[in-house]
Amino acid sequence: GDSVTQMEGPVTLSEEAFLTINCTYTATGYPSLFWYVQYPGEGLQLLLKATKADDKGSNKGFEATYRKETTSFHLEKGSVQVSDSAVYFCALSLFAGARQLTFGSGTQLTVLP
Amino acid sequence: IAGITQAPTSQILAAGRRMTLRCTQDMRHNAMYWYRQDLGLGLRLIHYSNTAGTTGKGEVPDGYSVSRANTDDFPLTLASAVPSQTSVYFCASRKSGQNTGELFFGEGSRLTVL
Repeated sequence: GDSVTQMEGPVTLSEEAFLTINCTYTATGYPSLFWYVQYPGEGLQLLLKATKADDKGSNKGFEATYRKETTSFHLEKGSVQVSDSAVYFCALSLFAGARQLTFGSGTQLTVLP
Repeated sequence: IAGITQAPTSQILAAGRRMTLRCTQDMRHNAMYWYRQDLGLGLRLIHYSNTAGTTGKGEVPDGYSVSRANTDDFPLTLASAVPSQTSVYFCASRKSGQNTGELFFGEGSRLTVL
């Protein structure tokens, strides 16, 4: 079945450090890929997305590129801030069927001042 | 503020008791979902509804039931709670007519079954 694998956390960085959170996927079709972010005490919210190979999603300084050849969608940010501390979820969606999202297990990021 | 409202935000429940988690949205979204979030497992889909009057089973439906009598409400019921149902439950919805995969989430309901 379809699945998403994320790098295990937690990840702890100093402010202004470079961030990479790895995400790879397995899917029977051609999925759309997403990164969701969950700030403490809140529900998930969409951070960025990419709908086809080689697309780059970007938002709030975060970027991720849809790599079909490596089935990856790694999240990057050049300079993290304390306010980026959150749990990050990689997810995929296949438009056939129930159009549900399949989530990875999440990566906890803590940014220290 | 428009969005998804979940209730209760937190509940402690004795095993064997019946519990209904409420979810209401005011965005007129057709599709709604219930996920549970467990450490190390991410979010797993329990049940979903593509439109009012229809429901479907997700990845982990056992022990849960849902109903969708109207567009706005999508309650999740645990008929006889067990400790393994201790989790954080999130309700979500998707904008009608959009196939982008973007979901809108409530703030979650933390349930502890003793």
